[in-house]
Amino acid sequence: TQLLEQSPQFLSIQEGENLTVYCNSSSVFSSLQWYRQEPGEGPVLLVTVVTGGEVKKLKRLTFQFGDARKDSSLHITAAQPGDTGLYLCAGAGGSYIPTFGRGTSLIVHP
Amino acid sequence: KAGVTQTPRYLIKTRGQQVTLSCSPISGHRSVSWYQQTPGQGLQFLFEYFSETQRNKGNFPGRFSGRQFSNSRSEMNVSTLELGDSALYLCASSYSSGRTYEQYFGPGTRLTVT
Repeated sequence: TQLLEQSPQFLSIQEGENLTVYCNSSSVFSSLQWYRQEPGEGPVLLVTVVTGGEVKKLKRLTFQFGDARKDSSLHITAAQPGDTGLYLCAGAGGSYIPTFGRGTSLIVHP
Repeated sequence: KAGVTQTPRYLIKTRGQQVTLSCSPISGHRSVSWYQQTPGQGLQFLFEYFSETQRNKGNFPGRFSGRQFSNSRSEMNVSTLELGDSALYLCASSYSSGRTYEQYFGPGTRLTVT
């Protein structure tokens, strides 16, 4: 079973601060997705990373896939209250059954 | 394109009853997966259907079943409901299960078992 560990589990910060969320595994993934989920709604796909070492930017969000394709990070610059939500990473391997991390719950205070 | 839709959004059932949840994927998507989300366990994979065939299955009891129709719409059924089945049930559709496996989720059905 492929496991994804996300850290930190909870994060409470002030508007304007920077933060980084981590997603780690001992398994190699062919691709990894990041999602954001708001209360009472389904996760929304933010990005997919495929190549080891790949970096993708989505406005103030920067996503990185580890060289060995076992880990990933999400960095948010100058966080805003609208960034509040549950951030989930999901890795896909050979079985095509994606494995989800438990998520990082982020609260950005105005 | 319209997103993934799920009905109903909220459901309250009593122990022992059964329930059927419905999911309509994004047009053109042939893969539909179902997940159970709870605060304690996070997102857990139930099963995936592709072209009306169950292709993958998670580690859930046989009380959880599903099916997919020729138009890719999918239903999930839970029989003999237990209190522990209270959860947010999410449906996700995907164009293919290739290397990237990007999934698009519906808003979920919140099931409460009393």
